[in-house]
Amino acid sequence: EVYLVESGGGLVQPGGSLRLSCVVSGFTFDHYAMHWVRQVPGRGLEWVASVSWNSVSLGYADSVKGRFTISRDSATNSLYLQMNSVRTDDTAFYYCARGWELFFWGQGTLVTVSS
Amino acid sequence: SSELTQDPAASVALGQTVIITCQGDGLRDSFANWYQQKPGQAPRLVIYGKNIRPSGIPDRFSGSNSGDTASLTIIEARAEDEADYYCNFRDSSGNRLVFGGGTKLTVL
Repeated sequence: EVYLVESGGGLVQPGGSLRLSCVVSGFTFDHYAMHWVRQVPGRGLEWVASVSWNSVSLGYADSVKGRFTISRDSATNSLYLQMNSVRTDDTAFYYCARGWELFFWGQGTLVTVSS
Repeated sequence: SSELTQDPAASVALGQTVIITCQGDGLRDSFANWYQQKPGQAPRLVIYGKNIRPSGIPDRFSGSNSGDTASLTIIEARAEDEADYYCNFRDSSGNRLVFGGGTKLTVL
């Protein structure tokens, strides 16, 4: 069975940093692109960042470019999102998802940016 | 343009058919994927590619494309289909995903 489990969310002050993790199991991690998608409570889905299966190709939403960094570690089947210079409008649930179809999703981790 | 437009809300009577649409120039060259999200839950893929249903998705759900518009059709609607539905596609750069704003479906 496929599992994606996010962690690392919490309360952070504006301008601060946070690192989200997503540990996966049940499939060959190296075979798939991986993504972060976020959702402000009560609002729609917003794509945040993508990393290709081999980490060669990265993509970022304009809203996070230059502040967030996506990465992956095949040794630990983990996906990461380093969030720097966070802003109040980064407050959201953050989901990791597998493959360009977003075939499987984690349950999300909540990031709250507030002073 | 890489934007996708969805109607914010739709409704369907129990047992009837509803079509949810997603419009954007990028859909002329790409298939849309469709996701269902119920309150308090993560989104779930219901249609991808050329009308492919993941395992466990009932065949009451189907997808189609015509020009710049993708459609999700639900026949014989059930109360359990009440949810938010989102479309997305992978844009021409190959490195970005674009989501529609979502459609809140009410089953009457």
